[in-house]
Amino acid sequence: AVQLVESGGGLVQPKESLKISCAASGFTFSNAAMYWVRQAPGKGLEWVARIRTKPNNYATYYADSVKGRFTISRDDSKSMVYLQMDNLKTEDTAMYYCTAGGYNWGQGVMVTVSS
Amino acid sequence: DVVLTQTPPTLSATIGQSVSISCRSSQSLLHSNGNTYLHWLLQRPGQSPQLLIYSVSRLESGVPNRFSGSGSGTDFTLKISGVEAEDLGVYYCVQGTHAPLTFGSGTKLEIK
Repeated sequence: AVQLVESGGGLVQPKESLKISCAASGFTFSNAAMYWVRQAPGKGLEWVARIRTKPNNYATYYADSVKGRFTISRDDSKSMVYLQMDNLKTEDTAMYYCTAGGYNWGQGVMVTVSS
Repeated sequence: DVVLTQTPPTLSATIGQSVSISCRSSQSLLHSNGNTYLHWLLQRPGQSPQLLIYSVSRLESGVPNRFSGSGSGTDFTLKISGVEAEDLGVYYCVQGTHAPLTFGSGTKLEIK
């Protein structure tokens, strides 16, 4: 069965950095474009970052709200995807999920940015 | 990015009532490969989203058959035939035809 397990969340102050991770299993990870999607408290789902596969040169894309501050990466040998978040803002406070095509979801990881 | 307009924003239903949720796309979701990557998710209170329906009308394994999906092109519908108490939560449509993934704004189903 497909499984996605996010980790690494926590409470940080504005302008600080945090790196969250997602461990994937149950599917051919190297063949899948991966996303980070977030959900602010009481709000809907919003895509944050996307990374394509090796044949597509691991191309990365970002929502305008995080461009220049967040970096998505992947390690196909470990079936892991990461999100490095720098210069965090209070509006980045959200539950962060990784997903492939929106089919499968993990439990998410909470990131709270507050002074 | 593709915009998904989901209606209504809230639904109040009694047990056993049938309800429908609409999801309209700003552009056709028919992929060049012939598939339509429009899915429906349910997020129960305090839980992560779960897949109900994928590719417009395919029922995810383990999902009760009171859930059904239909539509094509830009107009899609999720129907619940006989709401049960466990169906409360927020329903989202999501499209994967045109990167990036985009989501409808959600429909909150309340049980009267």
